[in-house]
Amino acid sequence: EAQVTQNPRYLITVTGKKLTVTCSQNMNHEYMSWYRQDPGLGLRQIYYSMNVEVTDKGDVPEGYKVSRKEKRNFPLILESPSPNQTSLYFCASSFNYNSNTQYFGPGTRLTVL
Amino acid sequence: KNEVEQSPQNLTAQEGEFITINCSYSVGISALHWLQQHPGGGIVSLFMLSSGKKKHGRLIATINIQEKHSSLHITASHPRDSAVYICAVSINFGNEKLTFGTGTRLTIIP
Repeated sequence: EAQVTQNPRYLITVTGKKLTVTCSQNMNHEYMSWYRQDPGLGLRQIYYSMNVEVTDKGDVPEGYKVSRKEKRNFPLILESPSPNQTSLYFCASSFNYNSNTQYFGPGTRLTVL
Repeated sequence: KNEVEQSPQNLTAQEGEFITINCSYSVGISALHWLQQHPGGGIVSLFMLSSGKKKHGRLIATINIQEKHSSLHITASHPRDSAVYICAVSINFGNEKLTFGTGTRLTIIP
């Protein structure tokens, strides 16, 4: 089944404890992206990747890192999480940057205490 | 940076009604997307437009580049259409650097 998977789906952590949210797609997509969704602010793009080893900042990259060493994986790294990074995170992928359809993962709900 | 405004923020309608959701943006774009977020949180891409009109089943999306405006229409609405509909725009290429509206919450009453 074609899908985007994220792990973990739910995470409660404490300020400063490094964490990684994984994202994997099995559709051989070139483009992948991370978004966060907050009440009243909607979705905002954190980072995106046009292909392996090519990443770029979205609107809200501060406090996040990404890497794209393999086509299928695009992990989101929070080196030192803070409470303002409490949010719902979505990973998405598409065939390329100009595709009609993005496929979204199920979301990861992160709480930073 | 593009500003994306959606209206209305909330919309409640009876089953069968024709629904229109609007999206306006402030800066010229290369593409506009419509997304649907289900009550359970899952997000589905509906359309990507750069001009004209697209139709998929009971959903129709239109865009007017000169007026910087897009509409999403739902014909013969059904309770399963209840969701949050989100507009997003890209200045560069289709999916690159998306800016999102805050969404329209649609509720269809049987």
